Amino acid sequence: IAGITQAPTSQILAAGRRMTLRCTQDMRHNAMYWYRQDLGLGLRLIHYSNTAGTTGKGEVPDGYSVSRANTDDFPLTLASAVPSQTSVYFCASSRQQNTEAFFGQGTRLTVV
Amino acid sequence: DQQVKQNSPSLSVQEGRISILNCDYTNSMFDYFLWYKKYPAEGPTFLISISSIKDKNEDGRFTVFLNKSAKHLSLHIVPSQPGDSAVYFCAASESGGGADGLTFGKGTHLIIQP
Repeated sequence: IAGITQAPTSQILAAGRRMTLRCTQDMRHNAMYWYRQDLGLGLRLIHYSNTAGTTGKGEVPDGYSVSRANTDDFPLTLASAVPSQTSVYFCASSRQQNTEAFFGQGTRLTVV
Repeated sequence: DQQVKQNSPSLSVQEGRISILNCDYTNSMFDYFLWYKKYPAEGPTFLISISSIKDKNEDGRFTVFLNKSAKHLSLHIVPSQPGDSAVYFCAASESGGGADGLTFGKGTHLIIQP
């Protein structure tokens, strides 16, 4: 059982480029989340989806978009990357919204 | 305004002793609390949780205590082992479906000294 798979593991991206971080879960969880982790700031919610077909904005949504076409996939897109989006990005899922969440291994993104 | 606060960025404890990690919250709508453990270059892993209807939950060496009136929770690890060295995040949510997602603290780096 893979749980949550994120791709790529790491990426160096030129500022201004478009990038999609992929996230897939095989647990049939209803809710999915994207967090970013920055030194000294902990984990901050970017976007979430409580069920397939719905999405919502978290604490730090600017510069990011998401889609939830099906239960398993929840991609995060940076339309035009900026250096402040350099971070480690974690995708997570939970059976129901706001309960115990399971995390992927993370994507380390560097925008230069 | 930080809704979940972990005021100790780091904590050093001798192996075999008790580790106590603290967490405070400000949002009175939070009713479900969790602790996560994170090793470098890995995603956070769920450790233990507690609902606001309880004041204590125990799982092996890990116990979480909740003091609702003080809006405070703590994680006790006893005895502490070298593998417990990691960053610990406290998280909270409104399980009834209010604000979405888990709200995390900034983390406490626990170092277990041999």
